[in-house]
Amino acid sequence: RKEVEQDPGPFNVPEGATVAFNCTYSNSASQSFFWYRQDCRKEPKLLMSVYSSGNEDGRFTAQLNRASQYISLLIRDSKLSDSATYLCVVNRGGGGSYIPTFGRGTSLIVHP
Amino acid sequence: NAGVTQTPKFQVLKTGQSMTLQCAQDMNHEYMSWYRQDPGMGLRLIHYSVGAGITDQGEVPNGYNVSRSTTEDFPLRLLSAAPSQTSVYFCASSQNRVGRTEAFFGQGTRLTVV
Repeated sequence: RKEVEQDPGPFNVPEGATVAFNCTYSNSASQSFFWYRQDCRKEPKLLMSVYSSGNEDGRFTAQLNRASQYISLLIRDSKLSDSATYLCVVNRGGGGSYIPTFGRGTSLIVHP
Repeated sequence: NAGVTQTPKFQVLKTGQSMTLQCAQDMNHEYMSWYRQDPGMGLRLIHYSVGAGITDQGEVPNGYNVSRSTTEDFPLRLLSAAPSQTSVYFCASSQNRVGRTEAFFGQGTRLTVV
């Protein structure tokens, strides 16, 4: 089982739709969680951190469920510019090093 | 404020050639890493370093060497290039701290081995 798993999609949604992605992780000792966004042929960039209490940034909401070992990303009122690949990232922690492990990414296509 | 700088951006190699991908960061980050990204495979960790003089293998280390003589630089060496190493390579750096440490990426190197 991969350490971080995501549905690769693609998720094909119309503008204005709400879409949600989930990501599961296998290491219960994982300590930090993030969502990154990667545009085609570009480097990944941080979208948002994921806090235990859940957090929101404009149209984006991230949640963490430690008991079930998954994180989620909700995008409301989708825009064409949201089309990208969304990467789930988990920092394993332990031994003094915090090593980010990436999921394979979920592709989102927002169409007019 | 350069962040993470990777060179070259594009490279074509012949099978059997060797080369070094350069990565430098100016943020005084302890942690640096190299990933390769192939279609449908996501980002796979090749090698990483938690500080100068310390390196370790990731998920796909075969065919690659690294060294970390300074905090700033983390070059990746391809010893004898093979077509299977055709990929996009990303270098990343972050602080090695408890908590929500953001990873910063270079712009990537697109490598083709023929």
